[in-house]
Order: sequence, then structure tokens, then C-alpha cells
Amino acid sequence: EVQLVESGGGLVQPGGSLRLSCTGSGFTFSSYEMNWVRQAPGKGLEWVSFISSSGDSIYYSDSVKGRFTISRDNAKNSLYLQMNSLRAGDTAVYYCATDPPGQGGEYFQHWGQGSLVIVSS
Amino acid sequence: EIVMTQSPATLSVSPGERATLSCRASQSVSSHLAWYQQKPGQAPRLLIYGVSTGATGIPARFSGSGSGTEFTLTISSLQSEDFAVYYCHQYHNWPVTFGGGTKVEIK
Repeated sequence: EVQLVESGGGLVQPGGSLRLSCTGSGFTFSSYEMNWVRQAPGKGLEWVSFISSSGDSIYYSDSVKGRFTISRDNAKNSLYLQMNSLRAGDTAVYYCATDPPGQGGEYFQHWGQGSLVIVSS
Repeated sequence: EIVMTQSPATLSVSPGERATLSCRASQSVSSHLAWYQQKPGQAPRLLIYGVSTGATGIPARFSGSGSGTEFTLTISSLQSEDFAVYYCHQYHNWPVTFGGGTKVEIK
């Protein structure tokens, strides 16, 4: 069974930094492209970032470009999102989500349970 | 950026009735269209991809149709567990984008 578990969320002040992690199990992590998708309280879904299975292809939404960095460690079955210069508008539940195996830029097949990030003073 | 517009925002349906949800893209997304279901406090769940292909384990009462810019998710006979928010998602172009969601509530 595919499992994705996010961690690292919490309360941070505006301008601060936070690093989210997502650990995968039950599948060959290194074969899957990965994404971060967020959802502000009471709002819809917003794609944040994509990383290819090898890490050599990366995309960001305009809203986080230059502030967030996605990375992965396939040896640890882990995906990361380094978030810097955080703003109130970044407050959201952050989900990691897989593409279908071996395909990038596709639909989101599996999702983690989410990690809540609150940016507030 | 491709803008996805879902309608209606809220759909009130009685159990056992048919529900029809719409999603419109601001430009063609070909067949690169998926639907997700989200219940309160839970992560989204993939229902449909490629416009009409059901994801693993999804009941046959869920079906998708459409092409280009106009898409529909149909739930043939609503069960109690189907009351949720539904999102469409285009993955034709970067950035991938979602619709604003349709909440299906009990009438």
C-alpha cells in the first residue's frame, strides 16, 4: 500500500523559514515524480512545485518561485520543501502527491495526509 | 495559465439522485483532465484521470466525460459517502491548475 507521510509543519513568523518532509513507503519512491500541493484554510487546491524522479527537472508556481526549494533524497525515500521568506498567504495545509509511475506532469495519483503551516506573528 | 472554472459552486442533491458537475477550461486541455474528491479533514482522492478513466477502486457510479474545454463528472446515484467537495485539475500545461471546487451537499 502506498503511504506518504508529511512532517515539519508548524507556526512560523512572517519572514521565517520552515522545511517540510514527505516520506514514502509501499512503492519504489525513486521511480515516481513528486509534487507539493497546498490548500489554504477553507480554500481550494493550489499546485506548488514538481520534481522529477531523478531530481533533474523542477518546476514552481509563480507564487513561490524564488522563495521555496523542492528536493528529494531517493536513498531515504524522502521529498522536501524548503520554505523561506514565508508570508501570511503561505498559510495552508501542504500535501505531497505522486504522479503516476514513470510519468511526469500528470495527475496526482497518491496523496499524503498533509502538514499544516501557519505563518503568523 | 489555464483557468479552470467549476459550476455550480454548491450542488444540493438527495441520496439516490444523479449529480452532474461541470468544469470549463479557459483553453483546450486535450484529454489531460482529472477529478478528485475531498472530504472534510481528509486529503484529496483521485477519482478520474484522462477525462474518463476511473482510478483504482473507484465505484462505477462515478464517470467522466468531455473534451477540449468542457468536462463533466457524473455521479449516477448518490450515496451518503459521496457528499464531499470535487475538484477538476488540468495537467496539459504548466502550471497545472485546479478548479475552485463543487461542494455536493445533502438536499
